[in-house]
Amino acid sequence: LAKTTQPISMDSYEGQEVNITCSHNNIATNDYITWYQQFPSQGPRFIIQGYKTKVTNEVASLFIPADRKSSTLSLPRVSLSDTAVYYCLVGLTGFQKLVFGTGTRLLVSP
Amino acid sequence: EAGVAQSPRYKIIEKRQSVAFWCNPISGHATLYWYQQILGQGPKLLIQFQNNGVVDDSQLPKDRFSAERLKGVDSTLKIQPAKLEDSAVYLCASSLGGTGPYEQYFGPGTRLTVT
Repeated sequence: LAKTTQPISMDSYEGQEVNITCSHNNIATNDYITWYQQFPSQGPRFIIQGYKTKVTNEVASLFIPADRKSSTLSLPRVSLSDTAVYYCLVGLTGFQKLVFGTGTRLLVSP
Repeated sequence: EAGVAQSPRYKIIEKRQSVAFWCNPISGHATLYWYQQILGQGPKLLIQFQNNGVVDDSQLPKDRFSAERLKGVDSTLKIQPAKLEDSAVYLCASSLGGTGPYEQYFGPGTRLTVT
């Protein structure tokens, strides 16, 4: 299973763009990259998933370089409600289990 | 669409007692997961079911933890006897299953406190 490394914490202010980078040097050919968001007292929630290049949805963008050894979750114009823990995961093909790291704790201040 | 349901939401027991958690996945989801999340850590997979068969239970402490998924729908996770270190949030998740990169939908979790 590919191991991921991401910053333990990040601070930002409302209205700023936040980029959280995750490294996954031993990603396998069939692995997808997925990000989850978790608020206190809730289960994780799917944000975005991608395989290569760029993926964008209504809440975030995911940038994946050609070598796929890292990825960047981009949150445009964050608000206070984006304060949460963000997990980067690699895998999800077949019956691979999700392996969560400690995630990145994002704190958005006014 | 209804989400993943879990009960109870909170449970306090003394060590050496037993406890059971219940999960009802999203309708039509073949795969069901139980995770343990200790405060300050990411969720750790305990067991994964595909329909009513076990796919992965490599991290389930089988001397005290057991889980079943009857008829490929609802599932229960049991701890007997509980230890102090079992204090955690127990999350249930479900997904469509199969070989695709399907996202997992998580329930709200059950917060267990063992005293």
